[in-house]
Amino acid sequence: SAVISQKPSRDICQRGTSLTIQCQVDSQVTMMFWYRQQPGQSLTLIATANQGSEATYESGFVIDKFPISRPNLTFSTLTVSNMSPEDSSIYLCSVGKRGTDTQYFGPGTRLTVL
Amino acid sequence: GQQLNQSPQSMFIQEGEDVSMNCTSSSIFNTWLWYKQDPGEGPVLLIALYKAGELTSNGRLTAQFGITRKDSFLNISASIPSDVGIYFCAGPPIRDDKIIFGKGTRLHILP
Repeated sequence: SAVISQKPSRDICQRGTSLTIQCQVDSQVTMMFWYRQQPGQSLTLIATANQGSEATYESGFVIDKFPISRPNLTFSTLTVSNMSPEDSSIYLCSVGKRGTDTQYFGPGTRLTVL
Repeated sequence: GQQLNQSPQSMFIQEGEDVSMNCTSSSIFNTWLWYKQDPGEGPVLLIALYKAGELTSNGRLTAQFGITRKDSFLNISASIPSDVGIYFCAGPPIRDDKIIFGKGTRLHILP
């Protein structure tokens, strides 16, 4: 399985600001995904990061709030924009061959919004 | 939307006990995945199952893909303190293009 790193590992941010989270993989991967895990909850898919084109967002998530970039096959960023305390969560990137295939996760970014 | 019903929600056991948890759905699955998440970490894949009836082991862990393709279980034998964490089942419902996750089973080991 690929080795996945995320930066930052955690951050505390003020309401109204934005944070960009980076996901780096040690090998080229077909699919990269971004998940949100709210406190004490399960994982919810935010979007699929597509290389060279716009991300595919799940219902309830929009590009203006969660812009995503994927400039190549090993790197992606997720920005959480205009943050509010409700955005306090763990944000996880994962990789896989297809959307329905086994996925491997990064260590996560723990975000607290004050 | 599609849902995975994972039970129990939490378990409190003594070290050395065996553990059993399961996941059910009203939908058919082609793959069942079991992950473990430690505090402050991302989920780690424990076992992947790809065929109905498949029984797969990974050390003290054993998981099975239910014959109906609508359920799966995970057993842990002779639990040890490092087994503490949250266990998630996951998989892609048939005719869906993404993986969904259960709500997790929180395993606690009593001192």
